[in-house]
Amino acid sequence: ILNVEQSPQSLHVQEGDSTNFTCSFPSSNFYALHWYRWETAKSPEALFVMTLNGDEKKKGRISATLNTKEGYSYLYIKGSQPEDSATYLCAWRAQKLVFGQGTRLTINP
Amino acid sequence: GAVVSQHPSRVICKSGTSVKIECRSLDFQATTMFWYRQFPKQSLMLMATSNEGSKATYEQGVEKDKFLINHASLTLSTLTVTSAHPEDSSFYICSATEGQGTDTQYFGPGTRLTVL
Repeated sequence: ILNVEQSPQSLHVQEGDSTNFTCSFPSSNFYALHWYRWETAKSPEALFVMTLNGDEKKKGRISATLNTKEGYSYLYIKGSQPEDSATYLCAWRAQKLVFGQGTRLTINP
Repeated sequence: GAVVSQHPSRVICKSGTSVKIECRSLDFQATTMFWYRQFPKQSLMLMATSNEGSKATYEQGVEKDKFLINHASLTLSTLTVTSAHPEDSSFYICSATEGQGTDTQYFGPGTRLTVL
């Protein structure tokens, strides 16, 4: 069974605070790890594609790290803003994308 | 760039009818398109992969005669749910890649199907 787990399932953060959440995935047969941001009623937006152990990627206030040996990735958001409210999905790629259930992030003004 | 549209966004139909969902890549040619389904409180699950001009590859447990996929051009794929039943009610979402299925997938906004 190929399981991708995200934690926490939901998160409320005060505006201006920083936060992070986790994606756990099988450490074998790893090709890539994808992060998406999915706002309600919109299309999931690709944030990062990570392929190498130790990868760190950054896009504005959002960054991600990757540990393929232990099978986890962290997504960090620095100085949260209301527009960061969304569900953040990770997907582990073997022969296909296997998605986690997402972390639903709400930023309180 | 890399915009994918999906139509309709929401559809309600009677049991036994067929429903067609369209997925279009608006500003790129999609060599490969994917169809996913999401049930409440579950993750996106891949239903099938389609390459332009060839038959779709279905995931285990997905009935190919019930979920007909056509990828007739590099910008359009359609999913037809035939003889829909209430258990087919779900959120269906497509994605597309420019490469051979290993690149970033660009998603449409999804279609909420309700079968009465």
